[in-house]
Amino acid sequence: DVKVTQSSRYLVKRTGEKVFLECVQDMDHENMFWYRQDPGLGLRLIYFSYDVKMKEKGDIPEGYSVSREKKERFSLILESASTNQTSMYLCASKPGLAGFGGTDTQYFGPGTRLTVL
Amino acid sequence: LAKTTQPISMDSYEGQEVNITCSHNNIATNDYITWYQQFPSQGPRFIIQGYKTKVTNEVASLFIPADRKSSTLSLPRVSLSDTAVYYCLVGDKTGAGSYQLTFGKGTKLSVIP
Repeated sequence: DVKVTQSSRYLVKRTGEKVFLECVQDMDHENMFWYRQDPGLGLRLIYFSYDVKMKEKGDIPEGYSVSREKKERFSLILESASTNQTSMYLCASKPGLAGFGGTDTQYFGPGTRLTVL
Repeated sequence: LAKTTQPISMDSYEGQEVNITCSHNNIATNDYITWYQQFPSQGPRFIIQGYKTKVTNEVASLFIPADRKSSTLSLPRVSLSDTAVYYCLVGDKTGAGSYQLTFGKGTKLSVIP
């Protein structure tokens, strides 16, 4: 069975803290994604990666960075958390040729609800 | 970049057919259209995917006209458990040649007993 796991379901951090959100997939997928989801705004893409050590900016990369050292793991980093980064963060992965078009099925993790105080 | 437009919300009674339309005027030639369903506190779940004309599976049907600038998700005989947010997704290539996916803002479907 396809599985995408995220390190935490709920996380509370303070302003200025460095925050790591981890995502692991066991499907050997090339592509992995980080989204944030806010009421009225839907899902917005932060970063994605189509191969190990490769990354591309999405719609809203400001204030975030990512790391993909291994194929199965994609980390989202908030260098200095701010209150406007309070959100639901969703990780996804999908198979397919790296960097090519098409919309193969994405598999989502359960999400991490991050609160920054 | 391709953008998608969906109705913000829809209401339907149990047992009725529901059609949700998504507009995607700048869809790329090789891109597919995918619909996802999301329940509260869960990640989105794949429903159906198509390129053109009509696709049907055990859950839904997807209608795509010849110009591919829109698509319609059809849910037959909805039940209370179909109450969820439905997202339309199309692929897109940026000018730099990288690959980016664009979600619609989602349509909140409420099924009424």
